[in-house]
Amino acid sequence: DSGVTQTPKHLITATGQRVTLRCSPRSGDLSVYWYQQSLDQGLQFLIQYYNGEERAKGNILERFSAQQFPDLHSELNLSSLELGDSALYFCASSAKLGTDNEQFFGPGTRLTVL
Amino acid sequence: KNEVEQSPQNLTAQEGEFITINCSYSVGISALHWLQQHPGGGIVSLFMLSSGKKKHGRLIATINIQEKHSSLHITASHPRDSAVYICAVPLTYSGAGSYQLTFGKGTKLSVIP
Repeated sequence: DSGVTQTPKHLITATGQRVTLRCSPRSGDLSVYWYQQSLDQGLQFLIQYYNGEERAKGNILERFSAQQFPDLHSELNLSSLELGDSALYFCASSAKLGTDNEQFFGPGTRLTVL
Repeated sequence: KNEVEQSPQNLTAQEGEFITINCSYSVGISALHWLQQHPGGGIVSLFMLSSGKKKHGRLIATINIQEKHSSLHITASHPRDSAVYICAVPLTYSGAGSYQLTFGKGTKLSVIP
């Protein structure tokens, strides 16, 4: 158990809908990362928050947005869903800002868009 | 061309064999991560290293910064080691001193009893 929690574990929805994925980092970790893993693209970095502020953006679509709240949990919002958004979404946390710190991964949310 | 290359893509081994998985990357980095993804999908961080060698149980990771290459070794492999092993390096600068991780495509290991 990494100490990172993600809900829900599975999500099935239809095209055009909007969903929210939730992540609670390990106790004391200030940095949260969101990753997408699809069959054809592998793991890709989406976005990073540190202590409530957005710090880095990767290949995140404009239809996707995220935030980190004062209690450090984070939410990833996916809207106008398309079939291609079906993937595993992971969040990870680390104590500090840089990627030369170990990251601890949550169990992931499997999103299926029908 | 992927900036992070892993080999082999797939590996089948007999229980007890010594396993080596390789990772090469294209530019200088501060640290490299090895991750394990279980068949159920969960990801576990195995190692983060910036130089030399690290050991944890039957797992050993080495890195050669000059040659831009890292290896993950598993000694006395066991069926429970069956998983996808992924290396990740901070390749892309995101600004404000922060880099994004770029992931290799993974090596699928199957250890047969």
